[in-house]
Amino acid sequence: AQKVTQAQTEISVVEKEDVTLDCVYETRDTTYYLFWYKQPPSGELVFLIRRNSFDEQNEISGRYSWNFQKSTSSFNFTITASQVVDSAVYFCALDLPLSNFGNEKLTFGTGTRLTIIP
Amino acid sequence: DGGITQSPKYLFRKEGQNVTLSCEQNLNHDAMYWYRQDPGQGLRLIYYSQIVNDFQKGDIAEGYSVSREKKESFPLTVTSAQKNPTAFYLCASSTGTSNEQFFGPGTRLTVL
Repeated sequence: AQKVTQAQTEISVVEKEDVTLDCVYETRDTTYYLFWYKQPPSGELVFLIRRNSFDEQNEISGRYSWNFQKSTSSFNFTITASQVVDSAVYFCALDLPLSNFGNEKLTFGTGTRLTIIP
Repeated sequence: DGGITQSPKYLFRKEGQNVTLSCEQNLNHDAMYWYRQDPGQGLRLIYYSQIVNDFQKGDIAEGYSVSREKKESFPLTVTSAQKNPTAFYLCASSTGTSNEQFFGPGTRLTVL
């Protein structure tokens, strides 16, 4: 069965510091998608990025960057020059598009609560 | 504006009562999902639907039921068979499964 591990339950950093959120996944499938979502205090999840298993290129979007490494089954997320508005819970998720069973299809990690201290 | 609506934001019910949570989207998305979130935990998939009149069980479907009679609507019923229904429920939709999902604001259900 697939699994997503976000070992960092909570992280606090001072504003303007860089911070990396770790995500390690497990699956036997060769075709899969990885996601990051942000959940601000309002509760509604916001999509950040989607990456398929055949694309290992790192991606940068403004202050956000993602490092996908299949060799270590990791998909880490870095925020550069953090801001107070980055405070939220961040979830990593794994999707298996070819799974025949719904309950093995989409798995979220337990999330990392990030607090940016002004 | 396009989006997903869930109502109400807070819902209280007595133990043993069935309750239906609404989810409506006007994004013209084919796929819709229901998740449950407990404190300090990630999201767990309850049901999902890829197309009208079809839906699949997720990780924790026991004690829940859904219907998908219209593309824009995917209501979730929490039945009395659900042993611990108090939780935060999130609905989402996407253009297709494995694409990014758009989430509603959630409904916090408390069973007294």
